[in-house]
Amino acid sequence: DQQVKQNSPSLSVQEGRISILNCDYTNSMFDYFLWYKKYPAEGPTFLISISSIKDKNEDGRFTVFLNKSAKHLSLHIVPSQPGDSAVYFCALGYDQGAQKLVFGQGTRLTINP
Amino acid sequence: DAGVTQSPTHLIKTRGQHVTLRCSPISGHKSVSWYQQVLGQGPQFIFQYYEKEERGRGNFPDRFSARQFPNYSSELNVNALLLGDSALYLCASSHRESGYTFGSGTRLTVV
Repeated sequence: DQQVKQNSPSLSVQEGRISILNCDYTNSMFDYFLWYKKYPAEGPTFLISISSIKDKNEDGRFTVFLNKSAKHLSLHIVPSQPGDSAVYFCALGYDQGAQKLVFGQGTRLTINP
Repeated sequence: DAGVTQSPTHLIKTRGQHVTLRCSPISGHKSVSWYQQVLGQGPQFIFQYYEKEERGRGNFPDRFSARQFPNYSSELNVNALLLGDSALYLCASSHRESGYTFGSGTRLTVV
């Protein structure tokens, strides 16, 4: 039973265009939402987060959108750069005594020059 | 300032053996969590420790155990290894204000 789903295993985008990565979830108890980026042979690196009281958070080229009614989270990267090529994971959590993150399966983003 | 450090980086073990993986959190971080990432999947929560006490446990068998030491470093132990335990094991340390920081992981291969 997967509570968090990233339905696109891979995405290819032209350099300079917008990359949109999506994440759907089923558990309405999640109240913090994060995106991580992962390069091969490295651990996940925190990218951006959003709390449940917001619907948008921006940090430079990265914007995260949260639609709680649709249980949908998305990450927009604009403009996309070759260095953005990596695997992106959404990770969701809620305070249940433990700080447990539930990750999606990941989307491999490739930015083409 | 050093990030989260994990050792060893790579490990090959035989079925039935046991393994100990180590993690040193960022200085000042009192919470350590362990995750297992199987190829093609996202990381899955195994344990969280805070101030040397287990705060949470994921859906893993009793062959998996962990502990946290007074200096907040942590060990993950896996007994009676199975082929399916082959994975990248990630440690994350966290602090209220700074969120989660992951180490580079230990790649365990069971043959």
